[in-house]
Amino acid sequence: QQQVKQSPQSLIVQKGGIPIINCAYENTAFDYFPWYQQFPGKGPALLIAIRPDVSEKKEGRFTISFNKSAKQFSLHIMDSQPGDSATYFCAAEFQGAQKLVFGQGTRLTINP
Amino acid sequence: DTAVSQTPKYLVTQMGNDKSIKCEQNLGHDTMYWYKQDSKKFLKIMFSYNNKELIINETVPNRFSPKSPDKAHLNLHINSLELGDSAVYFCASSRLANYGYTFGSGTRLTVV
Repeated sequence: QQQVKQSPQSLIVQKGGIPIINCAYENTAFDYFPWYQQFPGKGPALLIAIRPDVSEKKEGRFTISFNKSAKQFSLHIMDSQPGDSATYFCAAEFQGAQKLVFGQGTRLTINP
Repeated sequence: DTAVSQTPKYLVTQMGNDKSIKCEQNLGHDTMYWYKQDSKKFLKIMFSYNNKELIINETVPNRFSPKSPDKAHLNLHINSLELGDSAVYFCASSRLANYGYTFGSGTRLTVV
């Protein structure tokens, strides 16, 4: 119930394409869903986050789509660039938990 | 100006040794965390502290002992190191639940 399942494990996209990374959860108490970006040798950095009262959130080229009934959410990267190549993690938390539960990560490669 | 700083960045040590990792945040956050990232990049919570008090101990062996002298510092001491302790350890902090976590750049621990 505490798990967040992320797919795919790895993804290769041409520059300008739209990579999509998907996550699914079981625990309906989760009420905060962030995405983190991690470059080699660095810590994860918060990219964008959504709460279940909205179905979509955009920040720059990054969009989260959220489907509460299906208990799924996804990250879309518009006009992807080689500099977006990194590992992406979805995560979830519920009020009072004081811990983020992470998905397994997706290694994204954007080819020039 | 580093928001969450960890030292050391790399730690190579022999089995059976005792070692410590230090973490400091200058963001004024109340909650601090230790996460472990394994060789498959999976991120798992170990401990969380709120205002110097232990909130979560996620079934971590008692060879691991966190200490928070004040709310800006959270150190991790590991006794009797084992090969399986080899991983990257991340410190993080957050202002409130359901807000973004800021991660340090990690400490890569290698036990030989």
